[in-house]
Amino acid sequence: DGGITQSPKYLFRKEGQNVTLSCEQNLNHDAMYWYRQDPGQGLRLIYYSQIVNDFQKGDIAEGYSVSREKKESFPLTVTSAQKNPTAFYLCASSRDRVMDTEAFFGQGTRLTVV
Amino acid sequence: SQELEQSPQSLIVQEGKNLTINCTSSKTLYGLYWYKQKYGEGLIFLMMLQKGGEEKSHEKITAKLDEKKQQSSLHITASQPSHAGIYLCGADRANTGFQKLVFGTGTRLLVSP
Repeated sequence: DGGITQSPKYLFRKEGQNVTLSCEQNLNHDAMYWYRQDPGQGLRLIYYSQIVNDFQKGDIAEGYSVSREKKESFPLTVTSAQKNPTAFYLCASSRDRVMDTEAFFGQGTRLTVV
Repeated sequence: SQELEQSPQSLIVQEGKNLTINCTSSKTLYGLYWYKQKYGEGLIFLMMLQKGGEEKSHEKITAKLDEKKQQSSLHITASQPSHAGIYLCGADRANTGFQKLVFGTGTRLLVSP
């Protein structure tokens, strides 16, 4: 079955440590996205990528980094520079530049800084 | 202020009742998406509206986009417990078909038996 997989579902990090969230899709989608969700604030775009080896900053990219070495993978690293990393992180993918299409979301990773 | 405002923020309805959720944008909408989310899970796509005046339905859920393309409503008829969750509207900022969306803060729906 095609879909988008995020791992792990729950992640705990000590302050000052970097941590990488995994996102893999087998939908053959060109575009991939990372969103952050906080209570009462909806989803905010962190980074997005339209094609392999290319990615762009979203609205809240500070303290995060990404890579897009393969079409199916778009890992997100939360660095120690991110001041408030505790949140629910959602990865999504879509066909690029196709009207009347939608994004498919993973099940999310809940990151907690301890 | 939020680019997309949803109302109400939360809603409790009795099973079998109808309800409406609104999504208002401060900017012109080129594409309006409705998603549903169970707490702690990913988003499930419901429907997309592109043209002013457009209306789409799926099972007991109907969504409309008004002619000025700055407001959308989601209507659920004869609500069921399975409709409970968080409803999110998302908007395309430019007419590209690209899914770099801005989202509203969500409407939390509870359906009581």
